[in-house]
Amino acid sequence: GQQLNQSPQSMFIQEGEDVSMNCTSSSIFNTWLWYKQDPGEGPVLLIALYKAGELTSNGRLTAQFGITRKDSFLNISASIPSDVGIYFCAGQLITNAGKSTFGDGTTLTVKP
Amino acid sequence: DGGITQSPKYLFRKEGQNVTLSCEQNLNHDAMYWYRQDPGQGLRLIYYSQIVNDFQKGDIAEGYSVSREKKESFPLTVTSAQKNPTAFYLCASRHTGEETQYFGPGTRLLVL
Repeated sequence: GQQLNQSPQSMFIQEGEDVSMNCTSSSIFNTWLWYKQDPGEGPVLLIALYKAGELTSNGRLTAQFGITRKDSFLNISASIPSDVGIYFCAGQLITNAGKSTFGDGTTLTVKP
Repeated sequence: DGGITQSPKYLFRKEGQNVTLSCEQNLNHDAMYWYRQDPGQGLRLIYYSQIVNDFQKGDIAEGYSVSREKKESFPLTVTSAQKNPTAFYLCASRHTGEETQYFGPGTRLLVL
């Protein structure tokens, strides 16, 4: 099956710094999704990307759908303490019954 | 309010016992999903259902069973055949034609 490689696995940054994380796949996806999970909670959708090359922002978050359709990145600008959590990428194929393939997550720690 | 609920938040099971995790949604979504999450790992698909009275195995279905008798409900039973059941279980639902899955708050299962 398809596999996603998400990196880095964890990040420790100072408040105010920018963050970048990415996912790469061995095969193409039609949709890329980025989720954030707070401890003990379910993931919440941050950004959805539907077209190769698409660049989408949501407040301090920016994500891009790679031109090859095999990768995506998420940037967080001017990090704040509430950005702490686990960030997951997920890829979907139109033909796959809406099933998502998830990366292993990037754990973000922000030091005040 | 519309959403997905999972109960209980924490569940304890003795070895050899079956246990059923509840997932209910009032979003009128057709598709529902069950994922398992282990520390430091992404979400792995257990079972999914695209329509009432129909469901398919995911990547790690062994030792689990589901039913989909009502659109709103998709309970997951962890059977005694599941040798390593301690994990965080997440339920999600999706509207047909959309890519986004909406997650419940999760149930943490501990085997005593």
